[in-house]
Amino acid sequence: GAGVSQSPRYKVAKRGQDVALRCDPISGHVSLFWYQQALGQGPEFLTYFQNEAQLDKSGLPSDRFFAERPEGSVSTLKIQRTQQEDSAVYLCASRPTRTGANVLTFGAGSRLTVL
Amino acid sequence: DQQVKQNSPSLSVQEGRISILNCDYTNSMFDYFLWYKKYPAEGPTFLISISSIKDKNEDGRFTVFLNKSAKHLSLHIVPSQPGDSAVYFCAAPDYNTDKLIFGTGTRLQVFP
Repeated sequence: GAGVSQSPRYKVAKRGQDVALRCDPISGHVSLFWYQQALGQGPEFLTYFQNEAQLDKSGLPSDRFFAERPEGSVSTLKIQRTQQEDSAVYLCASRPTRTGANVLTFGAGSRLTVL
Repeated sequence: DQQVKQNSPSLSVQEGRISILNCDYTNSMFDYFLWYKKYPAEGPTFLISISSIKDKNEDGRFTVFLNKSAKHLSLHIVPSQPGDSAVYFCAAPDYNTDKLIFGTGTRLQVFP
């Protein structure tokens, strides 16, 4: 597609539920990033893929967070046993190259609300 | 430890006047900086960037200035337009890992 597509756009979960957030990057983009944006804050890095390889997951806040990109295109961010502090907008971004040219194209985000 | 800081959470400017958004950083290894603009319910979109080998980069109404000795950069919008009303984020790529580190953002409101 023309841009980065994320689904669902809005998700309400009860505390303890598992959620899965999907990202369709721009076709052919090698690098894919997940960010978490809490209310009133800037995006904070979660994890980074280069093709199907997860090269950096240092930003994942706990082992309840898991991300995958098995075929080097679509990526899924999974949050197990959601907690209220997980409420945030989850942004996916991609870029065509592996390194350099640090302009990321972002999707519109998935807003997660945990009750 | 916040490596990229935007100390003004909001800014209100009259249409036609200059908007100046500020950003400070602490990591002297940063060598490239970007500004992103975000409208409600949309993802951030790239606006303008600057390399540390320059002290100014201009693109139409948008100019970014970099003062490396002060570890400070600013985004100037001249003239400001109501469509510029958005949240602006300053960002820098981490030297070691290549991930972008964002500031907390400044909400700009341009009123008629």
